[in-house]
Amino acid sequence: DAKTTQPPSMDCAEGRAANLPCNHSTISGNEYVYWYRQIHSQGPQYIIHGLKNNETNEMASLIITEDRKSSTLILPHATLRDTAVYYCIVRVTRGYQKVTFGTGTKLQVIP
Amino acid sequence: GAVVSQHPSWVICKSGTSVKIECRSLDFQATTMFWYRQFPKQSLMLMATSNEGSKATYEQGVEKDKFLINHASLTLSTLTVTSAHPEDSSFYICSARVAESTDTQYFGPGTRLTVL
Repeated sequence: DAKTTQPPSMDCAEGRAANLPCNHSTISGNEYVYWYRQIHSQGPQYIIHGLKNNETNEMASLIITEDRKSSTLILPHATLRDTAVYYCIVRVTRGYQKVTFGTGTKLQVIP
Repeated sequence: GAVVSQHPSWVICKSGTSVKIECRSLDFQATTMFWYRQFPKQSLMLMATSNEGSKATYEQGVEKDKFLINHASLTLSTLTVTSAHPEDSSFYICSARVAESTDTQYFGPGTRLTVL
């Protein structure tokens, strides 16, 4: 799996959009970008994933650059409950199933 | 959909005893489940991959005789920590792979193990 680089921490004002960056410059053509988050003392929660097109679901939007070397997870209206560690992971989805977690970004939503 | 449960959510045991943790996929069948361990202020570390009906595959440095994994059905995997010691105290998390989708994994809520 390709290595990812994320800032260790970020703050975001409640109600504002939270933009979490991730660099994955060595990503391969068949690797997807996945985002998970882990709220304190809970199991990780799947958020969204994509290959090369931008994706949106009820939780977030994922913007992947055209060269696929970086991506941004967008929480459109951050709430206090979005305070968590956010993990960006790139991986092949067939034949190699491990999810390897890095250190992630600790997002603190401030009232 | 895609809900994974774990039982118990927390357990306290004496040193030398064994503890079993269950991981269940509630609304889907999971041919593959994964077990992770997380120490305070650290990221999740994969311990082993559990495939239904076959032996688990352990990551380097994880003792297979100490962390026994059984995946007897498509909805249940168990992790038994044998002869637990205080250094085994950790947050144990399982995940299950949804084969029908693009290989997304869904995680359980975790089990907090404290060994006295």
